[in-house]
Amino acid sequence: EAGVAQSPRYKIIEKRQSVAFWCNPISGHATLYWYQQILGQGPKLLIQFQNNGVVDDSQLPKDRFSAERLKGVDSTLKIQPAKLEDSAVYLCASSYGTGVSAFFGQGTRLTVV
Amino acid sequence: GESVGLHLPTLSVQEGDNSIINCAYSNSASDYFIWYKQESGKGPQFIIDIRSNMDKRQGQRVTVLLNKTVKHLSLQIAATQPGDSAVYFCAESLQGGSEKLVFGKGTKLTVNP
Repeated sequence: EAGVAQSPRYKIIEKRQSVAFWCNPISGHATLYWYQQILGQGPKLLIQFQNNGVVDDSQLPKDRFSAERLKGVDSTLKIQPAKLEDSAVYLCASSYGTGVSAFFGQGTRLTVV
Repeated sequence: GESVGLHLPTLSVQEGDNSIINCAYSNSASDYFIWYKQESGKGPQFIIDIRSNMDKRQGQRVTVLLNKTVKHLSLQIAATQPGDSAVYFCAESLQGGSEKLVFGKGTKLTVNP
């Protein structure tokens, strides 16, 4: 079974630029999560999708972050414009549903300079 | 609140010893808990999970204990190996709403040969 795929693995941008991350979840997984993990901290949930609908985006900075999951499969997370404090690893995870274990991708390490 | 915390940020053990990693959670309504292992440069990897209707669950070399009275979760690793060196996170799933996974800050386990 293929795992959660994310790209790119690394990205360096200047502040005020925009960036996008891509995630392909495990086949058949209806729930998709985007987490932000700042160095030395635990992952923080940004947004959760159930199929192509948003279930929770309460911690997503909506003035600069956006995410979509077209057709209930792949998802993209965008930051525009980026700030220095957005430097972090962005993790995508998926699960069959809520209340069950989520499986994570390798993450995208973003550095904003 | 929605916080999940850990008692110790670091733990150092000798190879072959048993390790115990602790986690405290604050929301008595949480009904699902997961332990994740995260190695450097990788996404969190599922280790074991437990639901609130259980107080103990065993896997291969790992045991999770849940004490709902004091809202405490622990991960026991038997015969710890150098490959167990990583940061361990407990995650709490909150009942109601989106049942999002909330992570603690993590415990760094170092296994000395």
